[in-house]
Amino acid sequence: AQTVTQSQPEMSVQEAETVTLSCTYDTSENNYYLFWYKQPPSRQMILVIRQEAYKQQNATENRFSVNFQKAAKSFSLKISDSQLGDTAMYFCAFMKRTSGTYKYIFGTGTRLKVLA
Amino acid sequence: DAGVIQSPRHEVTEMGQEVTLRCKPISGHNSLFWYRQTMMRGLELLIYFNNNVPIDDSGMPEDRFSAKMPNASFSTLKIQPSEPRDSAVYFCASSGPSGSYEQYFGPGTRLTVT
Repeated sequence: AQTVTQSQPEMSVQEAETVTLSCTYDTSENNYYLFWYKQPPSRQMILVIRQEAYKQQNATENRFSVNFQKAAKSFSLKISDSQLGDTAMYFCAFMKRTSGTYKYIFGTGTRLKVLA
Repeated sequence: DAGVIQSPRHEVTEMGQEVTLRCKPISGHNSLFWYRQTMMRGLELLIYFNNNVPIDDSGMPEDRFSAKMPNASFSTLKIQPSEPRDSAVYFCASSGPSGSYEQYFGPGTRLTVT
């Protein structure tokens, strides 16, 4: 069975600094997708970034980038130039598609606090 | 697009009462997911529909929970009878056939059962 592990329950970072959130997963699949979602205090879940496992190039979205290590089954999120608005819970998620159906698995989340 | 719409945003009910949560997915999306989020258990997938058909309901905790999707633009999650341990935030999410596979979440319904 697939699992997603986020080993850092809480992290903090100074405004304008860089922080990396870790995520590891376990799967025997070769084709899958990985996501990072952000859940601010408003509780709305927002997609931050997506990575297709068949792509070697790491995904980037403005200040957000990932370090995808397929062999190591690692999918960390780097936030550069942290802003106060980045304070949120961050969830790593794994998705595989099998015969037209989807299986999503979420990690337990990392609570990030950006300090002024 | 208005995004995924959920109602009500907050629900407070007494133990034993029936609770119905509602969701309107993004137009054109053909997959719909119901999640439950608690501090203890994190984010749990309850049930997943594809083209209005339930595909995976293995996460539904027990027979007190039921979900329906009568058409592509509406789904309900019902709890009958409700219990205090059902208190949680319930999210609905939808996903489209575009191949990008990300889920778009609604704002959630915070349920409190007293």
